[in-house]
Amino acid sequence: NAGVTQTPKFRVLKTGQSMTLLCAQDMNHEYMYWYRQDPGMGLRLIHYSVGEGTTAKGEVPDGYNVSRLKKQNFLLGLESAAPSQTSVYFCATRAGTPYEQYFGPGTRLTVT
Amino acid sequence: EDKVVQSPLSLVVHEGDTVTLNCSYEVTNFRSLLWYKQEKKAPTFLFMLTSSGIEKKSGRLSSILDKKELFSILNITATQTGDSAIYLCAVGEGAGGTSYGKLTFGQGTILTVHP
Repeated sequence: NAGVTQTPKFRVLKTGQSMTLLCAQDMNHEYMYWYRQDPGMGLRLIHYSVGEGTTAKGEVPDGYNVSRLKKQNFLLGLESAAPSQTSVYFCATRAGTPYEQYFGPGTRLTVT
Repeated sequence: EDKVVQSPLSLVVHEGDTVTLNCSYEVTNFRSLLWYKQEKKAPTFLFMLTSSGIEKKSGRLSSILDKKELFSILNITATQTGDSAIYLCAVGEGAGGTSYGKLTFGQGTILTVHP
């Protein structure tokens, strides 16, 4: 089993460009999350999903959109990238044990 | 506003030393406290604590929660260079059936273990 995978691993964008980050899981977990990690700020929740076809905003949702058309995939979109979105993005899924989340390897995004 | 604060922010020790990492929290609806270890990539789960005073142990790592004083500590004894990582504390919140397993993370403690 691959667990949680993320594509791409690295990306450089120019300001105003758009892109989609893909998170895929093979653990059949209902809950999926997108976080961003910035130096000195820990992990902050962008959006989350409690099941196929449902999404909701987290702590820092502005500038991002998400979709969960299939249970195993959770997509994070940036419609018009800004330098403030330079960060490392992590996807996570939640098992049956409450609150224990499994993380993907991360995507390092730089916006110039 | 919910808050999780870790200290120290960074720590440099030598192999064999014992370290204690701290995590204090202020959240509206506490459910659990989790510790993660982050090396180069994804955070990996270490412990989840829900009850005060019960120590969780895994090898040289142990952790305990104090729900009255709102903090947790993570101890690592006989440190090794492989313990070098960022250690993240997170608090799980929720409201019964509507819980979505929200985790609020601290800033992390960067631990460096020199040979």
